[in-house]
Amino acid sequence: NAGVTQTPKFRVLKTGQSMTLLCAQDMNHEYMYWYRQDPGMGLRLIHYSVGEGTTAKGEVPDGYNVSRLKKQNFLLGLESAAPSQTSVYFCASRARVGHGYTFGSGTRLTVV
Amino acid sequence: AQSVTQLGSHVSVSEGALVLLRCNYSSSVPPYLFWYVQYPNQGLQLLLKYTSAATLVKGINGFEAEFKKSETSFHLTKPSAHMSDAAEYFCAVSDAGGGNKLTFGTGTQLKVEL
Repeated sequence: NAGVTQTPKFRVLKTGQSMTLLCAQDMNHEYMYWYRQDPGMGLRLIHYSVGEGTTAKGEVPDGYNVSRLKKQNFLLGLESAAPSQTSVYFCASRARVGHGYTFGSGTRLTVV
Repeated sequence: AQSVTQLGSHVSVSEGALVLLRCNYSSSVPPYLFWYVQYPNQGLQLLLKYTSAATLVKGINGFEAEFKKSETSFHLTKPSAHMSDAAEYFCAVSDAGGGNKLTFGTGTQLKVEL
């Protein structure tokens, strides 16, 4: 029972490079989320999905794109990385309203 | 818009002492409220949640929280701190619609001293 798996765990990018972060869940959850965590700011929602084929913007969506082609996967893309995107990225999923989120272990991204 | 405020970004207690981490919420409708814990270099783990069934909610590791509507608070407590409780704690609020998004507080770092 893996829960929520994020790959990669660490990555260093140069400014302007692109990359995709993968989130996979094996719990058949409908809802999936991408957050970024920065010191003193808690977690801020980037994008989310309420089901396969759906995506929506969160609080800080600029510079990111997402896709949810399969129910179990939620991809986060950075088209042209900037130093301001240096952060720890967490994926989470939940089954239904009122349930807590299950979090992945995070991806630490550094943009130089 | 919903929000949560965690008072005190750092809290220090002695081992065996009471732990009290404060959280106040702002929500226009009855909320779902959560406490999460994050250990260094790990993801967030659910401690407990309030979903209107009972105002006193018991969670894992001996933690509990009381929902007080009149005070718009959901403070986290533990009677006796243990060294292993040292971590960062996040309060979060969610509504029943709009994708059921969680809005997190800025976190409280708990330090437990001998």
